[in-house]
Amino acid sequence: NAGVTQTPKFQVLKTGQSMTLQCAQDMNHEYMSWYRQDPGMGLRLIHYSVGAGITDQGEVPNGYNVSRSTTEDFPLRLLSAAPSQTSVYFCASSYGTGFPYNSPLHFGNGTRLTVT
Amino acid sequence: ELKVEQNPLFLSMQEGKNYTIYCNYSTTSDRLYWYRQDPGKSLESLFVLLSNGAVKQEGRLMASLDTKARLSTLHITAAVHDLSATYFCAVDIPPPTFGSGTQLTVLP
Repeated sequence: NAGVTQTPKFQVLKTGQSMTLQCAQDMNHEYMSWYRQDPGMGLRLIHYSVGAGITDQGEVPNGYNVSRSTTEDFPLRLLSAAPSQTSVYFCASSYGTGFPYNSPLHFGNGTRLTVT
Repeated sequence: ELKVEQNPLFLSMQEGKNYTIYCNYSTTSDRLYWYRQDPGKSLESLFVLLSNGAVKQEGRLMASLDTKARLSTLHITAAVHDLSATYFCAVDIPPPTFGSGTQLTVLP
């Protein structure tokens, strides 16, 4: 079982460039999400999805787009990269959140993004 | 807006000592998770706490949940160096909201 697979592991962008961070899971999880991790700020939710065709904004959605065309994939697009988007990005999935689920998040290995 | 506060943010402790990490949250929830992150690595699940009074233990770690006080604790018993990591609590409203993390260093 591969679990949650994120690509790339590292990326350097120039300000204004766009790119897509890929996330795929093979656990048939309905819930998928993207977090960014910055020093001293824990993990902050960017976007999430409770199933194919359904997405919603998290705490810090500005500058990012997502789509969920299949259960397996949940790509994160940076539209026009800014230095403030320098961070480590984690994709995470689970069977579901809230009642009646008791499923913790499964995390990918992260993407370290630097925007210059 | 849900706030999840962990304290302390940084903790250095001697091997063999006991200590507790606290996770306070501002909105009613009966679902709380604890995760561990090693430096440069991803997060892995430690505990799932689903109701008031829930207690889970694994090795030298024990987690509890008091939903009325909106408080969860992660207690470390007789710390060893291998427990050095960053520990996060996450409150599932839904969706899950994470605390800032507690960076634990266990000194020999």
